[in-house]
Amino acid sequence: QLQLQESGPGRVKPSETLSLTCTVSGGSITIASYYWGWIRQPPGKGLEWIGSIFYRGNSFYNPSLKSRVTISVHTSKNQISLRLNSVTAADTAMYFCARIPKPGGQNDFWGQGTLVTVSS
Amino acid sequence: QSALTQPASVSGSPGQSITISCTGTSSDIGTYSLVSWYQQHPGKAPKLIIYEVAKRPSGASNRFSGSKSANTASLTISGLQTEDEADYYCCSYAGSNTQIFGGGTKVTVL
Repeated sequence: QLQLQESGPGRVKPSETLSLTCTVSGGSITIASYYWGWIRQPPGKGLEWIGSIFYRGNSFYNPSLKSRVTISVHTSKNQISLRLNSVTAADTAMYFCARIPKPGGQNDFWGQGTLVTVSS
Repeated sequence: QSALTQPASVSGSPGQSITISCTGTSSDIGTYSLVSWYQQHPGKAPKLIIYEVAKRPSGASNRFSGSKSANTASLTISGLQTEDEADYYCCSYAGSNTQIFGGGTKVTVL
């Protein structure tokens, strides 16, 4: 059974870098055609797509976050990671990772999410 | 990219059918048949219930159905049940390997 698990610091200071990891178990992230993505949800608000990556390293980002975001893949650890620079309180959110079975496709498996609070 | 437009709330009585609309543009819903819908209960991760406009993944209730016309997609929940009370989000492919979500709709079972 495929499982995705997000992990990382629960609190980040303003202007610093948010770093999260998504560990995939029950399946390989190198399976052809699968993309892996990050989605966030501020408390009490809706979902926002952050970006996605193919295991070969091709990455794609939300234009509104592109200047601050880096998504990477770590095939030896079966992990993907998210880095978001220069965070502000507006980046406080639940961060989810998800599997995307084909380019442009749906997010069919989700992690449980991890809450990150930006606060000094 | 602006979020897809969904009604903030929709309600219905048990057994009734309700429909949630999701309006985009010719750059997303109007061009691509890659619309998906997600159900989210409080404190839980979203769950895929419809993909590629009208397909149901394994395990999703057949009371959920989807459709699309021009720049608007719709999710219909038939035979409304108390367990359907949740937030629902639409999502569309927007080209160049990007996605865009709707603002979400809270479904209340009266």
